[in-house]
Amino acid sequence: DAGITQSPRYKITETGRQVTLMCHQTWSHSYMFWYRQDLGHGLRLIYYSAAADITDKGEVPDGYVVSRSKTENFPLTLESATRSQTSVYFCASRGPFRQTQYFGPGTRLLVL
Amino acid sequence: DQQVKQNSPSLSVQEGRISILNCDYTNSMFDYFLWYKKYPAEGPTFLISISSIKDKNEDGRFTVFLNKSAKHLSLHIVPSQPGDSAVYFCAARAAYNTDKLIFGTGTRLQVFP
Repeated sequence: DAGITQSPRYKITETGRQVTLMCHQTWSHSYMFWYRQDLGHGLRLIYYSAAADITDKGEVPDGYVVSRSKTENFPLTLESATRSQTSVYFCASRGPFRQTQYFGPGTRLLVL
Repeated sequence: DQQVKQNSPSLSVQEGRISILNCDYTNSMFDYFLWYKKYPAEGPTFLISISSIKDKNEDGRFTVFLNKSAKHLSLHIVPSQPGDSAVYFCAARAAYNTDKLIFGTGTRLQVFP
């Protein structure tokens, strides 16, 4: 199906474990983004990518790693999960000349 | 430092009445603004946008107003419907960094019968 998908939708992990959240889009959008949503903070940008092999930090990048070897995929890795990374994570994408971002359904992550 | 602020965490409106959601910003270099709507367990979806060269943009029941001197924008929904119950986020783009958006904290709108 066309669109933007995230996997897994729900994840429970333990402190110190490595976790990777996947994001896949079928529009060939050049830009991709990772946000986290927390009560009282709204949507905060973690990392974004303007094209394959180009990534940049957002507001809250600490503790996260991203890569973009293919245009359609933008995985987010928590190298050593902490309880403060319990959140809902959204991936988004957009074309190069538009500002409208299209969001995935989100991944709810619980770090115990 | 929150550059985009939505000071009302929640709003309750009767069906058929007007809903007004507010958003304030601090950065005078913001030149494009968007509103997103989010239902529970779903990702945000784009609703309406406005460029800083305009002061109003309308799309059906949704109108966004921009007051640049006050650094304030508002989203009007008329008439409000129960299906409008959701969290609304405003977002802004800076002219010097058009790669990304800065989002506000969101306002939960509840429309009751």
